[in-house]
Amino acid sequence: DQQVKQNSPSLSVQEGRISILNCDYTNSMFDYFLWYKKYPAEGPTFLISISSIKDKNEDGRFTVFLNKSAKHLSLHIVPSQPGDSAVYFCAASGGGTSYGKLTFGQGTILTVHP
Amino acid sequence: GAGVSQTPSNKVTEKGKYVELRCDPISGHTALYWYRQSLGQGPEFLIYFQGTGAADDSGLPNDRFFAVRPEGSVSTLKIQRTERGDSAMYLCASSLMANTEAFFGQGTRLTVV
Repeated sequence: DQQVKQNSPSLSVQEGRISILNCDYTNSMFDYFLWYKKYPAEGPTFLISISSIKDKNEDGRFTVFLNKSAKHLSLHIVPSQPGDSAVYFCAASGGGTSYGKLTFGQGTILTVHP
Repeated sequence: GAGVSQTPSNKVTEKGKYVELRCDPISGHTALYWYRQSLGQGPEFLIYFQGTGAADDSGLPNDRFFAVRPEGSVSTLKIQRTERGDSAMYLCASSLMANTEAFFGQGTRLTVV
């Protein structure tokens, strides 16, 4: 079963506007959530994370929101830039295991148009 | 080096052959992870090392897959009797400790023909 789901395979946004990427999870043991960005022919690059004790974490243009009751998190990118075009993966870990043992979503392809 | 290094970057092998994939983690990182990513999917966890020992190998699909990290640094993922279904991108990641973020290498693309 897919414990972490990204239901939008792709998202297209105009440069300067907000990009919102969504992620849902089913395992209530998850307590740490991360977003990774991946360019073609490269490995995933860590972007931002959030612990389950918080509902928001901000880092420059990137903000992650966590709604534990809905088991939902989102990544906001403001303003979006063409260089942000990549595949974005949501990932989760928890249950007392290592933060590097991650369950990933399927990914969302973000395209930011100039 | 500055980042996680994986070699080779590409590997083509014939069905039934044995392959080894190498991972050099970031210097000083005690935790090391192997993932497999199929086309259109997110990475799937295979195995996690803390130091020299495999702390969690629950993601290894079957006994054809094996990984070692004998000195607590470099790791090798070994696949015996390769099958076409093993074709995927194999990713390695490392983290300073178990409770810190993992950094990924660029991956090894394995193709079994």
